[in-house]
Amino acid sequence: GQQLNQSPQSMFIQEGEDVSMNCTSSSIFNTWLWYKQEPGEGPVLLIALYKAGELTSNGRLTAQFGITRKDSFLNISASIPSDVGIYFCAGQAQNAGGTSYGKLTFGQGTILTVHP
Amino acid sequence: NAGVMQNPRHLVRRRGQEARLRCSPMKGHSHVYWYRQLPEEGLKFMVYLQKENIIDESGMPKERFSAEFPKEGPSILRIQQVVRGDSAAYFCASSLDGNYGYTFGSGTRLTVV
Repeated sequence: GQQLNQSPQSMFIQEGEDVSMNCTSSSIFNTWLWYKQEPGEGPVLLIALYKAGELTSNGRLTAQFGITRKDSFLNISASIPSDVGIYFCAGQAQNAGGTSYGKLTFGQGTILTVHP
Repeated sequence: NAGVMQNPRHLVRRRGQEARLRCSPMKGHSHVYWYRQLPEEGLKFMVYLQKENIIDESGMPKERFSAEFPKEGPSILRIQQVVRGDSAAYFCASSLDGNYGYTFGSGTRLTVV
């Protein structure tokens, strides 16, 4: 089945530092999504990417959809304590008709800790 | 707030009992997805439903698990004869048409004792 390899597994950084995490896959995805999950809650969508090569920003977050459709990265600039959480990448596959199909495949997550 | 509503938030069941998890999608959303998350792992797809139809159940265990999304009312994930290995967080998500990012609920944390 499809698998996403997300790295790093965890990061410990100082407030104000920039963060970068990425996901790679052996399969092509039609859509890449980045989520953040806080303890006891469901994942919250941060950024959605729909086109190969697309670079999208949401405040201090920037994400890119790789040209090969097999990878994506997420950058967080000038981290703050509330950035703490688990960040997941997720890919949505393409069906035979060429449109995105409902099922998401998730990476293992990157645990981010920010020290004040 | 018309977000995805899941209940109960926490559910404790003894081995062999049944667990019923409910999910009310966002208003206007007719696509519902169930995912399972084990501790310190990512979410794993279980099933994708549209009103009254199961579209993809490739992630559902072959036995004891079933899901439905009736014409009226919430989607239900049912686990019969629960075992300790069923202990996990179960998340429901909904979307308008299946092509865009979902909205997840806060999950139901099932503990089997």
